[in-house]
Amino acid sequence: QVQLVQSGAEVKKPGASVKVSCKASGYTFTSYTMHWVRQAPGQSLEWMGWIRPDSGNTQFSQNFHGRVTVTRDTSASTAYMELSSLRSEDTAVYYCARYSGNYRDAFDIWGQGTMVTVSS
Amino acid sequence: QSALTQPASVSGSPGQSITISCTGTSSDVGSYNLVSWYQQHPGKAPKVMIYEVSKRPSGVSNRFSGSKSGNTASLTISGLQAEDEADYYCCSYAGTNIVIFGGGTKLTVL
Repeated sequence: QVQLVQSGAEVKKPGASVKVSCKASGYTFTSYTMHWVRQAPGQSLEWMGWIRPDSGNTQFSQNFHGRVTVTRDTSASTAYMELSSLRSEDTAVYYCARYSGNYRDAFDIWGQGTMVTVSS
Repeated sequence: QSALTQPASVSGSPGQSITISCTGTSSDVGSYNLVSWYQQHPGKAPKVMIYEVSKRPSGVSNRFSGSKSGNTASLTISGLQAEDEADYYCCSYAGTNIVIFGGGTKLTVL
């Protein structure tokens, strides 16, 4: 079945970087844009950015001031999100989500989420 | 880009109807018929309930409906059921390949 499976929880110190993976299965990975969305504890969803797996083109929210990078490995049908210069406010669940798959301009498939904790 | 504005909480009794509003600007909600709504239960990933303002994905109950007027989109849930208790988020395309989420609304079924 169509699914996105993310890597496991991470604990990082302030100033470090974290890299979260998102493996797609059940569909052609290069056919749909992959977005990243995060959710701090008890807070709302925050859009981070996207990657087009076919071209590698990316775009990110200005809120992250260049701290986020998204890459992909098409041979492994996997997208990666790296967030650098971590601070406590980056503690959140990070989701990958497929965009405009079955439904136009909507996130139809979500990963299970990856908890990232930033603590000294 | 500021988050879309949603009420923090709404509540209703089983069988009743509720409406959740989502207010944006002429640069996002008001400019595009590309508003989607997501349901999120505690500890779970969001699930799309409405896309393109008023379209329902297959498998989503017809008790869920969406609409838009000007800069405000709305999600209506009729015939409330206990299982509808969750957080709901709106999302809008905001031009230049950017999307923006609402602040979220907690629905309590009394």
